[in-house]
Amino acid sequence: GAVVSQHPSWVICKSGTSVKIECRSLDFQATTMFWYRQFPKQSLMLMATSNEGSKATYEQGVEKDKFLINHASLTLSTLTVTSAHPEDSSFYICSASGTAYGYTFGSGTRLTVV
Amino acid sequence: RKEVEQDPGPFNVPEGATVAFNCTYSNSASQSFFWYRQDCRKEPKLLMSVYSSGNEDGRFTAQLNRASQYISLLIRDSKLSDSATYLCVVNRQNSSYKLIFGSGTRLLVRP
Repeated sequence: GAVVSQHPSWVICKSGTSVKIECRSLDFQATTMFWYRQFPKQSLMLMATSNEGSKATYEQGVEKDKFLINHASLTLSTLTVTSAHPEDSSFYICSASGTAYGYTFGSGTRLTVV
Repeated sequence: RKEVEQDPGPFNVPEGATVAFNCTYSNSASQSFFWYRQDCRKEPKLLMSVYSSGNEDGRFTAQLNRASQYISLLIRDSKLSDSATYLCVVNRQNSSYKLIFGSGTRLLVRP
């Protein structure tokens, strides 16, 4: 089946620093990548949708200058949390579409900002 | 109002019990419907799609009522391994095919 590799699986960073999260589609071309955030005991909230080679579309309330998304190729999309603060601590997860399997999720990244 | 609403639970049931989860969605343009399962600190995994005619996969039965904008999931003969959070998910087939997640219903199956 389709596989999306997401790295890192967890990261701890200092407040004010930036963190990059990568999602790679290993055996298919991900034409669209969705980025979600999940706070404890809450559901996945869509942050943005990115299509290869074009600018990401952000959901209402998501700061595009803070959460930089790059989808430069059909197999790689990145999310960079810039100037991270403790309130950005969350579970970030990507989901790729582009196959008959529908949506394939990465395994998620647990970000803790201290 | 949330676009997809679920009872958060938790549902605490003994092994072998039958349990039912409900979900409502507010956007009548929703076209595709799914139930996902999410274990603690893991990514969600597709449990089953939901079709208008209703569909069954082993111990799991899903139903969709488009007129009432209501989706259900029935689990028969609960197993300990069924303990997880069950997410109701809808898809709006506009240009972006976004998945919209409910907040999930937590199930605890006890011995």
